[in-house]
Amino acid sequence: AQRVTQPEKLLSVFKGAPVELKCNYSYSGSPELFWYVQYSRQRLQLLLRHISRESIKGFTADLNKGETSFHLKKPFAQEEDSAMYYCALSEDSNYQLIWGAGTKLIIKP
Amino acid sequence: GAGVSQTPSNKVTEKGKYVELRCDPISGHTALYWYRQSLGQGPEFLIYFQGTGAADDSGLPNDRFFAVRPEGSVSTLKIQRTERGDSAVYLCASSELGTGGPNYNEQFFGPGTRLTVL
Repeated sequence: AQRVTQPEKLLSVFKGAPVELKCNYSYSGSPELFWYVQYSRQRLQLLLRHISRESIKGFTADLNKGETSFHLKKPFAQEEDSAMYYCALSEDSNYQLIWGAGTKLIIKP
Repeated sequence: GAGVSQTPSNKVTEKGKYVELRCDPISGHTALYWYRQSLGQGPEFLIYFQGTGAADDSGLPNDRFFAVRPEGSVSTLKIQRTERGDSAVYLCASSELGTGGPNYNEQFFGPGTRLTVL
């Protein structure tokens, strides 16, 4: 069965420091990987997807099929980045999302 | 335009009661999804509608759970004989098309309904 693992429930870094939120997946096919973010008192929203290869709000994520990882990175964290971050997977011919448990990111001033 | 809306925002009920949770998707979105999120977990897929029909209900945990979307817009998630384990945030999302893979369309989420079963 496919799984998405986010090993860190909580990650706390200082403003201006680099951030890496880890995501590993297990799936034998060609998945579509996503990062969703939920800011305080707001709804879940898409941050980025691997297929678009975009950088959103300074965040990037590279799909590493060899390591089955899709880590989210930002070189210089900002206080407004504090939020819950979820990694999610969609099978190559499916539409439902399979989610990790989420990582709470806290950026300290 | 308005995003996905869900009502009520909070629902407290007693064990054994029946509840209905409503979702209003973004106008024109043909795909609608229900997820359940328990404390400390990511969302868990329940059911997916393409238009009026349930294209995939494999995530519904048991036959106490049922969802409808009679006119291809508003959807209602219905839970019979609620149990304490049903307590969670129920999320609804909609997208323009419900296809995965490279043609995946972004799912837009509602604020959720927090269900508490006492």
